[in-house]
Parts: sequence; structure tokens; C-alpha cells
Amino acid sequence: DQQVKQNSPSLSVQEGRISILNCDYTNSMFDYFLWYKKYPAEGPTFLISISSIKDKNEDGRFTVFLNKSAKHLSLHIVPSQPGDSAVYFCAASASNQGGKLIFGQGTELSVKP
Amino acid sequence: GAVVSQHPSWVICKSGTSVKIECRSLDFQATTMFWYRQFPKQSLMLMATSNEGSKATYEQGVEKDKFLINHASLTLSTLTVTSAHPEDSSFYICSARVGGKYEKLFFGSGTQLSVL
Repeated sequence: DQQVKQNSPSLSVQEGRISILNCDYTNSMFDYFLWYKKYPAEGPTFLISISSIKDKNEDGRFTVFLNKSAKHLSLHIVPSQPGDSAVYFCAASASNQGGKLIFGQGTELSVKP
Repeated sequence: GAVVSQHPSWVICKSGTSVKIECRSLDFQATTMFWYRQFPKQSLMLMATSNEGSKATYEQGVEKDKFLINHASLTLSTLTVTSAHPEDSSFYICSARVGGKYEKLFFGSGTQLSVL
């Protein structure tokens, strides 16, 4: 039962353009969402998060949007840079279900110069 | 951010042998560490939560006698895959959390296990 899904295994974007990474979830009890970024041979690192009481959170070039009714969140990177090329994991937790972090499969972003 | 060191980064072993993976928090004390497993093209699946000085909490479907977790100190947790089989071949990754927030969740670089 895949509660967090990233249906696009890969995404290729031109430098300077917008990258949009998508994530869908099925558990309506999820109340906290995070994005992690992973470079090859390294562990994932925290990028940005959003609580279910918000629908948008912005940090520099990174913005996460949450659509609770659609059970969908997205990560926007503007403008995209070659250094953003990495695997991006979406993750979610439900505070009243033990707070365990559930990950999506990841989307590999490639930003072309 | 905090540093979590995981060793080895890859290991090949024969079927039936045991393999130990170490996870160390280098510059902070981690009362809680998490062990994940990832198959190709799939998500990071939580295997167990390791608490210093107490028994690990395993997720449903994870055999605690096969995947032995020890968290004997605030800076070290180990995962031992006992009597490894080819189906245990996977990517194993640990993480440690500072406080209660997932923003402060720091990962090791992972271990690729191949069982022949």
C-alpha cells in the first residue's frame, strides 16, 4: 500500500526554467509534509516542509504547494540550476498515527545547462 | 547540518552469512535512529526505529530476528542482517533525528548490500 506516490521517476528541465515535482498521497491523516534532496552516494537532506494548515511555503527558489482536497503536493524550483540535479523525495507523516515518516519513490531531476 | 556516518557503503556477501552495518552520529547525540530499506525504483521503507538503551521497534512485516538492531550508545546504532539471502539484497540507509522534528533528520549515505 503505497501511501505516498511520486508517479514521475524522472524529469528533465532546462536551466533557468521552472521545475515542478509532484507528489500524491492517500492517507487523509497526514498533517506534515517534507521534501528531501539526494545526491548520488550521499544520504537525503532536508529541503523544505509544509504543515497541513498551510497551502504554500516558500524558501528562496523552492516553493511547496499543498492541495489537501486533491491530496497532492508539489515542489517548484525557480529558476532551476544544474546543481539542483538530484533525486527528490516527498515524505509525509501523521501526528496521530505515530508520526512515522512515509516516503515516495523519488523523482530524479536533471537540469540541463 | 549534523553528520551521520554509515559504513560500509557497499558489501557483497555469500548467502547464509551475516553482515553488520554501522550508523554513527558524528557531532550530535541521537536518542532515536531509523533504519530504512530501498529496493530499486521504490520508496524508502521504514524497517525499524532504534532507541538508545532499549529494544528497537520494528515495522510490520520486518523480521526482528533477521534484522538485528542494536543502539548501545547515543552515537552508534548497528543493523545486522543475519543469515543473508539473495532477496535481502537492497539499499539500507540509516538516519538520526535531533529533537522531534523531521527537518532535523539526518541520513547516512547508505549501504548497498548484495547477497550472492
